[in-house]
Parts: sequence; C-alpha cells; structure tokens
Amino acid sequence: DGGITQSPKYLFRKEGQNVTLSCEQNLNHDAMYWYRQDPGQGLRLIYYSQIVNDFQKGDIAEGYSVSREKKESFPLTVTSAQKNPTAFYLCASSSSGADTQYFGPGTRLTVL
Amino acid sequence: RKEVEQDPGPFNVPEGATVAFNCTYSNSASQSFFWYRQDCRKEPKLLMSVYSSGNEDGRFTAQLNRASQYISLLIRDSKLSDSATYLCVGFAGNMLTFGGGTRLMVKP
Repeated sequence: DGGITQSPKYLFRKEGQNVTLSCEQNLNHDAMYWYRQDPGQGLRLIYYSQIVNDFQKGDIAEGYSVSREKKESFPLTVTSAQKNPTAFYLCASSSSGADTQYFGPGTRLTVL
Repeated sequence: RKEVEQDPGPFNVPEGATVAFNCTYSNSASQSFFWYRQDCRKEPKLLMSVYSSGNEDGRFTAQLNRASQYISLLIRDSKLSDSATYLCVGFAGNMLTFGGGTRLMVKP
C-alpha cells in the first residue's frame, strides 16, 4: 500500500526531553512537510523539504529541528527549547511542484 | 489578519439540509484553492479542488470568486457522515495556507 506513515500515534514525554517523531512515505514524493495543529486551530507549517538534503523553516520553526537524509523519510525533533510542545503533529508529502498534499495519520504529543 | 479566514461554526443542520460555508483569503497571489475534510482527531483529507469556473462532485459544489477573494463550499442533502471540520486551503509560493476550519454537525 502506498502512503504516509507516522509513528507513534500517541507520545508522552517529560518536560525538558527532546523527542523525535517519525514520518515515512513510499509515494516517491520529493516534497515533505511538518505541521502542528492545536485544538480548534488550523495547521501551521513548522518545516518543509523540497528535496533530499535540503529543508526550509516554516512559520513556527523555533524549538524544532528536522533532517532529510533520504527521500522517504523526514523526521521531526521537538527540542526542549519548544515552549509549548503539546499538540497534534501532522506530516504531509507532495509531488515536486504539485499543490496537492497528502497527510499521514498524525502523532499526538503530550508533554507532562 | 489571517491569510485564510473561516467561520469556526459549529453549523448544526438536520439531515437532508443544504449548508454553505464561505472562506476569505488575503493573499491575491494564491494560485489555487482546496477544501479538506478533517474528522475528529484524524488527519485532513482532500475533499476537492476549487476552480474559478466552479466545480461539482456529487453533493458538493465549490466556487471561487477571485474579485471578492472568497471561496465557498455547498453541501446538498447533508448526511450524518458529513459531520466533520472543513478546512479551506490556499496555495501560493509552493506553500499551503490553512484556514482554522468550519465545524459541521449533521443531526438526525
């Protein structure tokens, strides 16, 4: 089955710990994206990558880091510098230059 | 001012009703628009693209008015399964910008 997978579905961490969220796609898409969604809010772009080994900051990149070493994978690290990390994190991908993005099932992160 | 604005709702409608959502956008450079549907605690899924000429997909009709910078979604003969949050999305500069969503609740 082609698609985007994110793991884990639910994640709990103590305050001050870094945590890495996984995102993998087998759609052969060049572009990948990370969004954050807070309750009752729209999606906000954290980071995006149009091609392997390159990525750009989105609107709310502070406190987050990413890597894009492989086309299929775009992990997101939520660092201890992120002031309010509890949120629903969504990964998406799209074909190069295309506007339609497809989303993974999301990871719900709770920092205790 | 947000780039894409929507009435958050909720819109409570009876089964079989027709309901319309509007969305306004501020970035005149936006090239294309979409409606995504998001169920509670799930990821957004593409519902339909929005074309200037208007487009229809079954019970759903989307319209784009570039002069007034608004997008609309009309749902006819509402079903219980239409209950969800509908996200209005603009595309510009290789980026998607999401509205906050409009919540629809269809009651029996």
